[in-house]
Amino acid sequence: QKEVEQDPGPLSVPEGAIVSLNCTYSNSAFQYFMWYRQYSRKGPELLMYTYSSGNKEDGRFTAQVDKSSKYISLFIRDSQPSDSATYLCAMSLYSSASKIIFGSGTRLSIRP
Amino acid sequence: DAGVTQSPTHLIKTRGQQVTLRCSPKSGHDTVSWYQQALGQGPQFIFQYYEEEERQRGNFPDRFSGHQFPNYSSELNVNALLLGDSALYLCASSLGGIGSYEQYFGPGTRLTVT
Repeated sequence: QKEVEQDPGPLSVPEGAIVSLNCTYSNSAFQYFMWYRQYSRKGPELLMYTYSSGNKEDGRFTAQVDKSSKYISLFIRDSQPSDSATYLCAMSLYSSASKIIFGSGTRLSIRP
Repeated sequence: DAGVTQSPTHLIKTRGQQVTLRCSPKSGHDTVSWYQQALGQGPQFIFQYYEEEERQRGNFPDRFSGHQFPNYSSELNVNALLLGDSALYLCASSLGGIGSYEQYFGPGTRLTVT
C-alpha cells in the first residue's frame, strides 16, 4: 500500500465549475500537507500549505485536512482553463522543507 | 531573482553508463533536495543536502549519490544506469532553518536511458 493515494484522473470539467481533488494517506504522523500544481514539462509549484487539521483559503483555492480520517482535499472555485494541470498532493513529517511524500497526481482539464 | 536552475534539460544515455545532473538553488537558499519523477507518477524523494552533507535519504540504491558545493549548488550522480532510471529528475531548494516550509522546484532534467 502506498503512503499517499491519489486518483490519477483524468478529470475534465467545464469552465466555472467547482473542482474537488482528494488524497488519502496511511501515516498518521504526517503533520504538513501541501498541494502542488505541475504544468506539462515544468517543475511542481506550491499552491497551498496546511499544518495539521483544518481549512485554509487562498483566493479561489481551499485546502482541507481531516487527520482523523487521513483525508485531504483541494477545492477550486470558478475554475479557469488556465487551471488545467496536474495537481499533486504532498505531505511531510517535520516540515514541508524536509522529505516530501507525493501522491501520483490528478490530471485536470478545464473545458472552455 | 533567478529561481532554481537545472542542467542539462534533456539527456540520453546508454545502460551501464554514468550521468551527472546539476542544480543551482534559488538565491538565498542553502538546502537542496533531489526527486525522481517517472512518467505519470508523483516525484519520489532521493536525498537532501544541507551544509554540504547528505541530511536525509529516500529508498534509492547507492548507485545514486550526490554532492553539495560551498555555494550551495548540487550534483546528482547515477552510476550503472538502468532502463528504469529513465525519468524527470527534479531539484528543489529551500532554507534549512526551523520554520522554513516551502521547497521551490526547478524545471527538471529529463533522462532517457536506452
